[in-house]
Amino acid sequence: QVQLVQSGAEVKKPGASVKVSCKASGYTFNTYYVHWVRQAPGQGLEWMGVISPSGDSTINAKKFQGRVTMTRDKSTSAVYMELSSLRSEDTAVYYCAPIPYPWGQGTLVTVSS
Amino acid sequence: DIQMTQSPSSLSASVGDRVTITCQASQDIRRDLNWFQQRPGKAPKLLIYDVSNLETGVPSRFSGSGSGTDFTFTISSLQPEDIGTYYCQPYDDIEVTFGGGTKVEIK
Repeated sequence: QVQLVQSGAEVKKPGASVKVSCKASGYTFNTYYVHWVRQAPGQGLEWMGVISPSGDSTINAKKFQGRVTMTRDKSTSAVYMELSSLRSEDTAVYYCAPIPYPWGQGTLVTVSS
Repeated sequence: DIQMTQSPSSLSASVGDRVTITCQASQDIRRDLNWFQQRPGKAPKLLIYDVSNLETGVPSRFSGSGSGTDFTFTISSLQPEDIGTYYCQPYDDIEVTFGGGTKVEIK
């Protein structure tokens, strides 16, 4: 049974960093590209980037270059997304998405002073 | 980067109505297009891949068509459980983008 579980909600101050985890079980997660997608309150879906199955290669959307780091731990079937220099506009639900496979449940990150 | 124009941004229809959503790509994407459904408070779920292929378990009232730059998503008979937001998702090799979304409500 496919299951993708993300870490819990976070509240951060402007300028801080947040690291969101996404752990899989039930299928060969380590063979898939995993995308990170975010959704601000009441807004659409925004692609942030993707990490390769090996974890050796990442591609970030231009908007996030220099602020987002994606990593992968194959031993635990987990991927991580760290976003730095947070600002209020980064308040959103962040999803790990091994498109076209089922997504994680989402992690709400709130940036507030 | 591929840009996707999705319309309408919202619609309200009655149960049993036929609902159509369109997406237009900024460049030829062949048949590299998925459709997602996002129910309120939930993660997006893949309904259709490669323009017209229904994901396992997806009701047959959902369908997709098109190629190149123009694509259509149809719900043949709208049901109450279909409320939510629908997104087209073209993909260009590894990078992906999303259409702006269409919010579907019951009249």
